[in-house]
Amino acid sequence: GDSVTQMEGPVTLSEEAFLTINCTYTATGYPSLFWYVQYPGEGLQLLLKATKADDKGSNKGFEATYRKETTSFHLEKGSVQVSDSAVYFCALRSGAGSYQLTFGKGTKLSVIP
Amino acid sequence: DTGVSQNPRHKITKRGQNVTFRCDPISEHNRLYWYRQTLGQGPEFLTYFQNEAQLEKSRLLSDRFSAERPKGSFSTLEIQRTEQGDSAMYLCASSYGTGSVNEKLFFGSGTQLSVL
Repeated sequence: GDSVTQMEGPVTLSEEAFLTINCTYTATGYPSLFWYVQYPGEGLQLLLKATKADDKGSNKGFEATYRKETTSFHLEKGSVQVSDSAVYFCALRSGAGSYQLTFGKGTKLSVIP
Repeated sequence: DTGVSQNPRHKITKRGQNVTFRCDPISEHNRLYWYRQTLGQGPEFLTYFQNEAQLEKSRLLSDRFSAERPKGSFSTLEIQRTEQGDSAMYLCASSYGTGSVNEKLFFGSGTQLSVL
């Protein structure tokens, strides 16, 4: 079945550091890929998405590229801020006509000033 | 846009009791999802409604779980004969979509269930 594997957290970075959170997936068909973020005390919200191979999703300075050859969708940001402290979830929706999202376990990011 | 609302925020119950949760989606949203999340894990899909029709249900979902969305507006999730393993955060999400299923989901803050 479908699955998503994220790098283990927690991750602690200093402000303005470069961020990478690795995400790889296993899926049938041609999945769509997503990053969701959960800020402290808030509900999950979509950060970015990519629906086909080589697409790049971007939002709020974050980027992720859909790499079919390596089945990956790594999240990157060039310079993190304290306000980026949150839990980040990689997710996929299978291309097999399913409505469900399959999530990874989440990676907690803490950014210190 | 008042967001997705879930009630109650917290529920403590004894093993064997029945519980019901409510989700009020964003008003114009035709799609509604239920997920379950345990500590240290990502959300796990439970079921999906398009308007009032339940179109998808997780194979992992016990028959003790049932969900409804009468009239295609709010939804309820009922768990019968609760077990300690049902303790989790129950999340509701809604979206507006036609055709494509890759639209943005809006999640509520969840109902935290504790089964003693």
